[in-house]
Amino acid sequence: DVKVTQSSRYLVKRTGEKVFLECVQDMDHENMFWYRQDPGLGLRLIYFSYDVKMKEKGDIPEGYSVSREKKERFSLILESASTNQTSMYLCASSLYGGQGEQYFGPGTRLTVT
Amino acid sequence: QKEVEQNSGPLSVPEGAIASLNCTYSDRGSQSFFWYRQYSGKSPELIMFIYSNGDKEDGRFTAQLNKASQYVSLLIRDSQPSDSATYLCAVKGYSTLTFGKGTMLLVSP
Repeated sequence: DVKVTQSSRYLVKRTGEKVFLECVQDMDHENMFWYRQDPGLGLRLIYFSYDVKMKEKGDIPEGYSVSREKKERFSLILESASTNQTSMYLCASSLYGGQGEQYFGPGTRLTVT
Repeated sequence: QKEVEQNSGPLSVPEGAIASLNCTYSDRGSQSFFWYRQYSGKSPELIMFIYSNGDKEDGRFTAQLNKASQYVSLLIRDSQPSDSATYLCAVKGYSTLTFGKGTMLLVSP
């Protein structure tokens, strides 16, 4: 089974702090994704990566950056956290060349105060 | 802008009934379609995917795809209270998925 893990289930940070969210997958998937999920807005894609050191902007990249130094690890960085970044953050991975099915980690509930 | 539309619900069905969840999409070139189940406070879990017109069955779940009508549905037979969740439809574009906002399903004992 695909396993995607995320570094924290719950995180509380202060406005202006730099925040790192880590995601690791163990199935040698090439593609990795970061989403945020908010009530009424659904899942929105922040960034994705289809290879090491490669990254592509999703629908809402503003205020975020990402890093992919190793194939299994994809990090989301909030350079200066703001209260409107309070959300559920979900990481997912998929196999390049497959049908596109994505497997999600458990999510990180981030609260910025 | 690619769109995936779902009725937000809630869709309420009694235990043992068939639940029918529907999804329409705007991109006629879409090739693969996915159904995810998401329990409250949990992450989405892949139930099944379909990429050919027609029906695909997996246990109590049947996915139906009609590309001409740009319509995909999920049928859940013999619905159980444990099926109560939000069901997300997703459509594959070039390299990413576009998700609908989900339909909440409530199965009453």
